[in-house]
Amino acid sequence: GAVVSQHPSRVICKSGTSVKIECRSLDFQATTMFWYRQFPKKSLMLMATSNEGSKATYEQGVEKDKFLINHASLTLSTLTVTSAHPEDSSFYICSAHTTEAFFGQGTRLTVV
Amino acid sequence: AQSVSQHNHHVILSEAASLELGCNYSYGGTVNLFWYVQYPGQHLQLLLKYFSGDPLVKGIKGFEAEFIKSKFSFNLRKPSVQWSDTAEYFCAVKAGYSSASKIIFGSGTRLSIRP
Repeated sequence: GAVVSQHPSRVICKSGTSVKIECRSLDFQATTMFWYRQFPKKSLMLMATSNEGSKATYEQGVEKDKFLINHASLTLSTLTVTSAHPEDSSFYICSAHTTEAFFGQGTRLTVV
Repeated sequence: AQSVSQHNHHVILSEAASLELGCNYSYGGTVNLFWYVQYPGQHLQLLLKYFSGDPLVKGIKGFEAEFIKSKFSFNLRKPSVQWSDTAEYFCAVKAGYSSASKIIFGSGTRLSIRP
C-alpha cells in the first residue's frame, strides 16, 4: 500500500525557535496533503490542507503565520512551527490520500 | 462541511464480550467512511472503509461496520473482543471521492478490555 513518511518522529526545541516537520509520499504523487494535530487522549484536529504549488488552506482558528506550510513538490509538504511556545507541544500528523488516507507516523514536538 | 460524532468516549468490556461503537456523521452528499485504530504509542491504522456497494463492510482483526444511510450512521462492531483490542478508535468521514477532500475525525472512543 501507499506509504507516507514523516520526519522527525520526535523533536525537542527551545521556546522561541522554529521547527520544520517533513511529510513525504513515498510511492505516489500527492497534490494535496493534510496536517493534523493530536492532543493527548484527544482526536485528530485538522489544521490545514496543503496544496502543491499554491497556498495552504487553514482551518478556522489555526494561525497561518505560526504554522507555515509549504508544498513545493508532488511528494513533499513541510510544516514549520514558528516561534514555538510550550503550548505548541503536541503530536503532529500528516496524511495524503489516494482513494483512502495514508498517515505519517507522526511527530512529537516538545517545546521547552 | 462534514462532521462526525462518536457518542462513547470510553468503553470498558471483558474479553469475549461483543462490541459496538457508535458513529454518526453529518453531510448531505456522497461520503466515504472510515474507522481507524490507534494502539498505545502507535500511529493510526485503517480498520475498514466504506465507499459504495454493500453497506456491511468487513475489516481487519474481525471488525465490521454497517453503513445505514437513513440514520447517517457507521457503527463499528466485533462479536468477541480480545485484550489486544485495547486502543483508541476513530470514526472518520471524507466528503466525496477526490484525493483533495479532507477527512474529518470523530472525537474517538477509548476501548479498554479487561483480561
